[in-house]
Amino acid sequence: GDSVTQTEGLVTLTEGLPVMLNCTYQTIYSNPFLFWYVQHLNESPRLLLKSFTDNKRTEHQGFHATLHKSSSSFHLQKSSAQLSDSALYYCAYMGYKLTFGTGTSLLVDP
Amino acid sequence: ETAVFQTPNYHVTQVGNEVSFNCKQTLGHDTMYWYKQDSKKLLKIMFSYNNKQLIVNETVPRRFSPQSSDKAHLNLRIKSVEPEDSAVYLCASSSSGGAHEQYFGPGTRLTVL
Repeated sequence: GDSVTQTEGLVTLTEGLPVMLNCTYQTIYSNPFLFWYVQHLNESPRLLLKSFTDNKRTEHQGFHATLHKSSSSFHLQKSSAQLSDSALYYCAYMGYKLTFGTGTSLLVDP
Repeated sequence: ETAVFQTPNYHVTQVGNEVSFNCKQTLGHDTMYWYKQDSKKLLKIMFSYNNKQLIVNETVPRRFSPQSSDKAHLNLRIKSVEPEDSAVYLCASSSSGGAHEQYFGPGTRLTVL
């Protein structure tokens, strides 16, 4: 079945350093839809990015990701981490339902 | 205000009791969902409801049942709660057709003693 694999557990960064959270997926569908959702402490998940176009970079709020069907990847990146980026990040795949990865906690230290 | 609303915010109960959670969206969406977020923050879909069609996740125990009066409301009933039902239950909604953004409510935190 469909599955999503993310960088596991906690990623700790110093403010100003680049962010990269990995996401790969497995599916039988040839046209996948991939998403990144972010959940800050005591809040609900909200959409950060989405894409269904191969090799096209999508950007929002300083974050960007590119869907690469050849490698089944949709990694989340940001050039310079901010304290406010500390949150839980979910990669998700849309087949017949939205399947979330296990989530990656990002902690940005001053 | 257009959003997804959930009640109650918290609920504490004992094993074997019945509980009900309410969800309402004012976004004009036609698809609604229930998710369970456990203590490890794993987010799993339980049900999705598009107009009158209910899509059930077969891994959900039968004591869970969704109830919908119209496309703006989707409630969740748990007949006889178990300790492993302790979690945050998140309601979400979206437009149908294609990969549309899902909007989440604030969640209901259930604690089963």
